[in-house]
Amino acid sequence: AQTVTQSQPEMSVQEAETVTLSCTYDTSESDYYLFWYKQPPSRQMILVIRQEAYKQQNATENRFSVNFQKAAKSFSLKISDSQLGDAAMYFCAYRGGTSGGSNYKLTFGKGTLLTVNP
Amino acid sequence: DADVTQTPRNRITKTGKRIMLECSQTKGHDRMYWYRQDPGLGLRLIYYSFDVKDINKGEISDGYSVSRQAQAKFSLSLESAIPNQTALYFCATSAPTGIGNGYTFGSGTRLTVV
Repeated sequence: AQTVTQSQPEMSVQEAETVTLSCTYDTSESDYYLFWYKQPPSRQMILVIRQEAYKQQNATENRFSVNFQKAAKSFSLKISDSQLGDAAMYFCAYRGGTSGGSNYKLTFGKGTLLTVNP
Repeated sequence: DADVTQTPRNRITKTGKRIMLECSQTKGHDRMYWYRQDPGLGLRLIYYSFDVKDINKGEISDGYSVSRQAQAKFSLSLESAIPNQTALYFCATSAPTGIGNGYTFGSGTRLTVV
C-alpha cells in the first residue's frame, strides 16, 4: 500500500520569506500523480499544485513550486514570498495512475500546519 | 452553486443515533469518495464508489455504510454513532483515469457525537 509521510507537523515563516514543506512517499508503481492541497481555516480543500510522475520538470504555479525527486520518492513544496493568506494546513497526497493498483484513490499525509508571521 | 455539496455543514448528535451525511455533485464524475479528517491524522478513506453499482470499502469503513443513489449522489451513514466518530467528513469526486486533476472536495461536514 502507498504511504505518504509529512515529517513536519508545524512550520512557520516570516511574511515575504520562503518556506519549504517536506513530503516523502512509498510506492511500487511507476505511474502516479502527486498533489499538494491547502486547507485554510474555512476547511475547504484547495488544490495548490500537482505533479505527474512521468514528467521530469518540476511543476510551478505562481509562488508555489515543487522539488520532485522520483528516485528518492520526495515531493517538497516551496512557497516563495510568503503571504498571510498562505497560513493553512498543507497536505501532500498521492494518487496512482492507470497502470497501478491503487484504483485512483488519494492517499494523504498527516499534514503540516503553516503559520505566517507578519 | 458548488460543484460538490455536502449537507449538513455541522451536526451534533447523540451516541447511538443513526445519522446520514449527504453529498451531491454537478461535476458529472463517476467516482465519488468519503473521507474522514482527524487532527494529526490527515484524511483517511472511508468508502469509495466508481459508479452506481460499484461500492468499495476504504481503510476505515467499520461503523459506516454508504449508498450511491445516483451518479450525482453518495450518502454516508453512521448506523449507531459513537463519540470517536467525531470528525470532519469530506465528500469528493474525481475525474476519469488519465486525467491527474486530483479531486474536487465538498466543504465538509463537522460531526460531533456526544
